[in-house]
Parts: sequence; structure tokens; C-alpha cells
Amino acid sequence: GESVGLHLPTLSVQEGDNSIINCAYSNSASDYFIWYKQESGKGPQFIIDIRSNMDKRQGQRVTVLLNKTVKHLSLQIAATQPGDSAVYFCAENSGGSNYKLTFGKGTLLTVNP
Amino acid sequence: DAGVTQSPTHLIKTRGQHVTLRCSPISGHKSVSWYQQVLGQGPQFIFQYYEKEERGRGNFPDRFSARQFPNYSSELNVNALLLGDSALYLCASSFQGPTNQPQHFGDGTRLSIL
Repeated sequence: GESVGLHLPTLSVQEGDNSIINCAYSNSASDYFIWYKQESGKGPQFIIDIRSNMDKRQGQRVTVLLNKTVKHLSLQIAATQPGDSAVYFCAENSGGSNYKLTFGKGTLLTVNP
Repeated sequence: DAGVTQSPTHLIKTRGQHVTLRCSPISGHKSVSWYQQVLGQGPQFIFQYYEKEERGRGNFPDRFSARQFPNYSSELNVNALLLGDSALYLCASSFQGPTNQPQHFGDGTRLSIL
């Protein structure tokens, strides 16, 4: 069935280091992917998205890479800051209908000062 | 600009009761989706509404229902509450266009069933 999973449930990094959060997806029909950041007591916050006709997209301090061959998605955060500490989710949308997002379980990122 | 707003922020109910949760989308967004997030897991899709029509439904029982109003706000109703319905209920809105657009989430309603 459809699933979105993460390789690492937790990630601990030092302030200033770069962070890489990985995600595997199984639905080859998925054509749109989003990374969200969720802080305690808040809803998921949009970080960056990428469509399946792209393999890389950059934002402010963040880069998303998409490898459709191995169905893998990653989020790179440059110069990680304590404020980046949160749970990160990847989500996929399939079929182009843009209504149902399938989320993984999330990765807890902890940034040590 | 206001983001997605949800009310109430917290709610405590007992088994068998019903509950209504409310959501106001970002101005200009006509699509609203509802998700359930159990502690320690990612959000699970419940419903999507666009232009007051149900566009999709997730794998949830008929005790869950929703509707969208002419001003694009939405309500999620849950009847005959069970202990397992305790969760964070999230509403997301998006601009519906020819290409995929990101869904933007509110901070949710924390529902606790006693």
C-alpha cells in the first residue's frame, strides 16, 4: 500500500552543522512532495515543496532533493540553529488531486548549542 | 495576514458524546482538508472539501462528517466519541490551482476523551 517512511526517527546535531533528514516513499505515482516542520503544541509548518519533474529545489537555508529512481527524498538544513529543533515530516501527494497528503512518522531533530 | 484558524484549541469530552470542530481557511483559499494526528505519529487524512463539495475521504468511520460553508470555513463533526478519538485535529487550507499547491495547517484542536 501507499506509505511514506523515514530512515531515522531521531537526529541530534551541533549548532552550526548541516542536517540531513531522509524519507523513503513507496508510491511511484506520487507527483508532489512537501516537507513540514512541527514544533511542540503547534500545527505542521510548510517548509518547502518539490514536484516530480524536478530533482532539487532550494529555499532559505533548506534544500530538498528528490531521487525518483530509488523513491527517496531528503531535506538539507544548512547551519542548523537551535530554533530548527522540531519534528520534521515528509508528505506525498499522488494522482494530482492535491487533496490527500500521506505523512510519514516524522524525524525529531535536536540541535545542541 | 491571518493563517488557518481553528477553534476551540482544547476540548474535553466523554465517551458517547459528539463534538464539532471549526476551521477558517486562509483568505483566498477555497480548499479545506481535515487530518487526525495521534501522539507520536504523522497526520492522517480525514476529509477534503472544495467549493462546498466533498472531494475526498480517508479511512475513517461514518461517525466522522464534515461540511464547508459559502465563506469556505468548515466544520468537522464526530459522533459517539470513543477513547481512541483522542487526538490533535488539524485543518489545512490550500489555493486550488492548475498545479499542486501546498496545504497550510492551523495549530489544531486538542481533543481528549475521558
